[in-house]
Amino acid sequence: GESVGLHLPTLSVQEGDNSIINCAYSNSASDYFIWYKQESGKGPQFIIDIRSNMDKRQGQRVTVLLNKTVKHLSLQIAATQPGDSAVYFCAENQVTSYGKLTFGQGTILTVHP
Amino acid sequence: EAGVTQFPSHSVIEKGQTVTLRCDPISGHDNLYWYRRVMGKEIKFLLHFVKESKQDESGMPNNRFLAERTGGTYSTLKVQPAELEDSGVYFCASSHLPPGLAGAGELFFGEGSRLTVL
Repeated sequence: GESVGLHLPTLSVQEGDNSIINCAYSNSASDYFIWYKQESGKGPQFIIDIRSNMDKRQGQRVTVLLNKTVKHLSLQIAATQPGDSAVYFCAENQVTSYGKLTFGQGTILTVHP
Repeated sequence: EAGVTQFPSHSVIEKGQTVTLRCDPISGHDNLYWYRRVMGKEIKFLLHFVKESKQDESGMPNNRFLAERTGGTYSTLKVQPAELEDSGVYFCASSHLPPGLAGAGELFFGEGSRLTVL
C-alpha cells in the first residue's frame, strides 16, 4: 500500500555538524512533500516543502532534496544546533487529495553540545 | 496571532467512557484537519473539514468516532465508547488553503490532546 518511511529511526550528531535525515516513499503519484519538526510536547511544525517538479529547495540552514527516480527525500540541516534536537517527519501529499498528508514514522535527531 | 489550540491537553478515561476533544483553528482558516498518532505508529490522517463540511473522512477508524464543526469555527472529535486502542495523541491542524496548492504549504498544528484509555 501507500507509505512513507524512514531509513533510520535515530540520528546523533555533534553541534556544528551537518545532519542528513532520509525518507523513502512508495507512492509514485505523490507530488508534494513536506518536512515537519516536532519538539517534545508540541505539535509538528512546518520546516520546508518541495514540489515534484523540483529536485532541490533551500531554506534557512535547511535543504530538501527530492529524487523521484528512487522515490527518496532527504532533509539536510547545516551547522546543527542543540535546538534542532527533535523528531523529524517527512510527509507526502497529492494535490488532488486536498490536504490528506501521509506521514513517515519519524527520525529522532539528538544534537550533542 | 493565536495558533491552533486544543483542549484538553491530556485526558485519562476508562474503557467504555466517552471523551470529547476540542480544536480551535487559527482564525480565518477554512481548512481543519484531525490526525492522530497511536503508540509506536506514524501520524495518521483522520478527516478534513472545509468550513463546516466534511471534505474527506476516509481516515476515521470506525463509527465510534464522530467529528463536528458546527458553524465552521471550532471542531470537536468525540470518541464513544472509547477502547484501549484509541490511546494516543490527537492532533488538530488548520490551513488557509490545502497543502500543495500554489502558494500554500503549511498546516499549522496544535500541540495535541493526549488520550489515555485504561
